[in-house]
Amino acid sequence: DGGITQSPKYLFRKEGQNVTLSCEQNLNHDAMYWYRQDPGQGLRLIYYSQIVNDFQKGDIAEGYSVSREKKESFPLTVTSAQKNPTAFYLCASSISGQANQPQHFGDGTRLSIL
Amino acid sequence: GQQVMQIPQYQHVQEGEDFTTYCNSSTTLSNIQWYKQRPGGHPVFLIQLVKSGEVKKQKRLTFQFGEAKKNSSLHITATQTTDVGTYFCAGLKGAGSYQLTFGKGTKLSVIP
Repeated sequence: DGGITQSPKYLFRKEGQNVTLSCEQNLNHDAMYWYRQDPGQGLRLIYYSQIVNDFQKGDIAEGYSVSREKKESFPLTVTSAQKNPTAFYLCASSISGQANQPQHFGDGTRLSIL
Repeated sequence: GQQVMQIPQYQHVQEGEDFTTYCNSSTTLSNIQWYKQRPGGHPVFLIQLVKSGEVKKQKRLTFQFGEAKKNSSLHITATQTTDVGTYFCAGLKGAGSYQLTFGKGTKLSVIP
């Protein structure tokens, strides 16, 4: 059954700690995306990747980093430089990086600060 | 930069009443997509509109794209409790861009 798997579902971070959120897809999609969702804020784009070994910053990339070494995987690292990391993080993919393609979302990771 | 405004932010309706959410952009959009997010869930793609003045229907849901391609609406006829969730519109961010800009969403509550 094809889809997008995000793990873990819940994650807690201590002050000054980096954490990595996993996103794996078996849809054979070229493009992948990371969004942050805060209450009443909708979805804001952090990073996106149109193809393996390439990625671009979105609207709120500061304090985050990504890699795209494999087509199936697009992990997001929330660094200690991100001062307000508590949020719901959604990973998505689409067949290609064309913006007229529907995006398919994972179930999300909820990150909280201890 | 391009902004996509969505209103209302919240809507409470009695089951059986109609519901409409509106999406407005500061610039012309090449296309617009609509997503639904159930409580505790993730956004799910509903539909895409591309042509000026386009109208598409999915059962009780009617989607419209304005003639100037700067606004869009989603209308639900005779709401049901299964319609509960947050509805987002998303438009292409600027010419030549591959980024979708999402509206903040309209959260629909349906009172049985």
